[in-house]
Amino acid sequence: KAGVTQTPRYLIKTRGQQVTLSCSPISGHRSVSWYQQTPGQGLQFLFEYFSETQRNKGNFPGRFSGRQFSNSRSEMNVSTLELGDSALYLCASSREPTSGNTIYFGEGSWLTVV
Amino acid sequence: AQRVTQPEKLLSVFKGAPVELKCNYSYSGSPELFWYVQYSRQRLQLLLRHISRESIKGFTADLNKGETSFHLKKPFAQEEDSAMYYCALKSQGNLIFGKGTKLSVKP
Repeated sequence: KAGVTQTPRYLIKTRGQQVTLSCSPISGHRSVSWYQQTPGQGLQFLFEYFSETQRNKGNFPGRFSGRQFSNSRSEMNVSTLELGDSALYLCASSREPTSGNTIYFGEGSWLTVV
Repeated sequence: AQRVTQPEKLLSVFKGAPVELKCNYSYSGSPELFWYVQYSRQRLQLLLRHISRESIKGFTADLNKGETSFHLKKPFAQEEDSAMYYCALKSQGNLIFGKGTKLSVKP
């Protein structure tokens, strides 16, 4: 079955612009989470959604937001982009957020802010 | 505070040598721990989870609650094991990652 799918794979934006990234979880998975990966900070949790509700949020400014749709697809948005937002954004999915459910990752969306 | 520490940024071994990638965690409660691997130009993928107590690609990891460790081991490293390895702790549905260890297996 298809894995976690993220679009777009690569994008370049200018400072001050906003960006929307999309994620389609594995079929049957209802929990979606987002991570930011940078060389300096490593993998950092952004937020997690389950049944269209945000369950957890990481330590990121309010410019980072997300949502989940009824079909479990998710989008994340970053407004007023800064150079430091350049990163690989990873989406992950699992059946449910409870223990015992493995989390699977997409290939990521590479965002470059210039 | 919940935290995962991987003390080695880079680990270099020769093919056929044993390898151990260290992971220590800080967590109040019963931890759920994972090892993820990221090969060059590939997605982050699950290697092991402690609740399965399985061996994948020759790797094993044992949870030691007394030492709060979850070290990853393989008796004989192969060149194809070269990759970034991340230890992760599941907390409230999301993962807390260590900074990762780059394993380089030389021929």
